[in-house]
Amino acid sequence: AQSVTQLGSHVSVSEGALVLLRCNYSSSVPPYLFWYVQYPNQGLQLLLKYTSAATLVKGINGFEAEFKKSETSFHLTKPSAHMSDAAEYFCAVSEGTGANNLFFGTGTRLTVIP
Amino acid sequence: DTGVSQDPRHKITKRGQNVTFRCDPISEHNRLYWYRQTLGQGPEFLTYFQNEAQLEKSRLLSDRFSAERPKGSFSTLEIQRTEQGDSAMYLCASSLLGGPGNTEAFFGQGTRLTVV
Repeated sequence: AQSVTQLGSHVSVSEGALVLLRCNYSSSVPPYLFWYVQYPNQGLQLLLKYTSAATLVKGINGFEAEFKKSETSFHLTKPSAHMSDAAEYFCAVSEGTGANNLFFGTGTRLTVIP
Repeated sequence: DTGVSQDPRHKITKRGQNVTFRCDPISEHNRLYWYRQTLGQGPEFLTYFQNEAQLEKSRLLSDRFSAERPKGSFSTLEIQRTEQGDSAMYLCASSLLGGPGNTEAFFGQGTRLTVV
């Protein structure tokens, strides 16, 4: 069975500070891993995905994530937070080829303090 | 193409009424998915179509829920005899049928249902 745990339902950072959002997964097979962002009253937008190629994945808006098999982690980082980064972030795991196999975490709300 | 669109964006209904939501996917996408997102939770898979065929239904999809995609284009999700527990954001997504890892699903803005 696959599952995702996002540590910290709320994270606050100062503008310009490092953003670190944590995600740990459980999967019985090599997983595909994703980070999505959701702005208020909006759908989800894909930030980046890991599909067994490079373990360090670069995404949009300056975000990146590193797949660490030994730690079963896929933490999301950004060197310098911007006010526009304030949103809800979801980590998701998939064992298959379709979005019907996407299992999402409960989300982390990021607040950026000016 | 402007992406996945959903209608209506918001729906308030009385308990016991029926409601229907519509989703228009990205035109060349052959897969269409419905998800439900309750407050403080991540989206949960409900059902999906490949072209007009409904290939999978989650256990979350009770008998009061029915989804269709009659011509392999737009889809509707109907909830009969709504209950307060049905209050949620209903998200539609679409994707191409791709190879392993090609699961990039494009999500619509969702329909927020409130049952009073």
